[in-house]
Amino acid sequence: AQKITQTQPGMFVQEKEAVTLDCTYDTSDPSYGLFWYKQPSSGEMIFLIYQGSYDQQNATEGRYSLNFQKARKSANLVISASQLGDSAMYFCAMRGGSSNTGKLIFGQGTTLQVKP
Amino acid sequence: EAGVTQFPSHSVIEKGQTVTLRCDPISGHDNLYWYRRVMGKEIKFLLHFVKESKQDESGMPNNRFLAERTGGTYSTLKVQPAELEDSGVYFCASSQDRTYEQYFGPGTRLTVT
Repeated sequence: AQKITQTQPGMFVQEKEAVTLDCTYDTSDPSYGLFWYKQPSSGEMIFLIYQGSYDQQNATEGRYSLNFQKARKSANLVISASQLGDSAMYFCAMRGGSSNTGKLIFGQGTTLQVKP
Repeated sequence: EAGVTQFPSHSVIEKGQTVTLRCDPISGHDNLYWYRRVMGKEIKFLLHFVKESKQDESGMPNNRFLAERTGGTYSTLKVQPAELEDSGVYFCASSQDRTYEQYFGPGTRLTVT
């Protein structure tokens, strides 16, 4: 069965520093996709970054990068130069392989607080 | 371009009543998904439409939940009769293709008392 694990319920980071949010996954499908979403206190889910299982390079989107270690089955999100507006809950999610309809499986989430 | 919209933003109903949630996906997105987050738990998949067809409804909890997508445009999720454990936030998401990123709506917070 496919599973996503986020072991950090809460994290603190000082403004302007970098922070890594952990995500490990479990799947037997050779083809899959990994996503990170941000949920601020307002409640909406904001797509941040995507990594395909066959992508050779780690995905980057502005201050967000995904540290993809396939052998370890980890897909950690790195936020560089943290800003106060980064305070939110962050969800790691996985989409399964070719037999999958596209549904996402989510982790439990990590609450990030950026300190001024 | 308008994002995914959901209505209502918040609904409070009594146990045994019926509630209908609505989702309007991004225009042109054939794929529409419903998810639910019960307090303190993970976001769970409910079902997936491709246009008006149900592609995957493996996450629907029971037959008190009925989802429709008329004409492949907006979708409704009806809960009848509602139970206390149905309380949570119901998210709708849409995508152009099942392999693409999904764009989420703001969610509907359902409280069953």
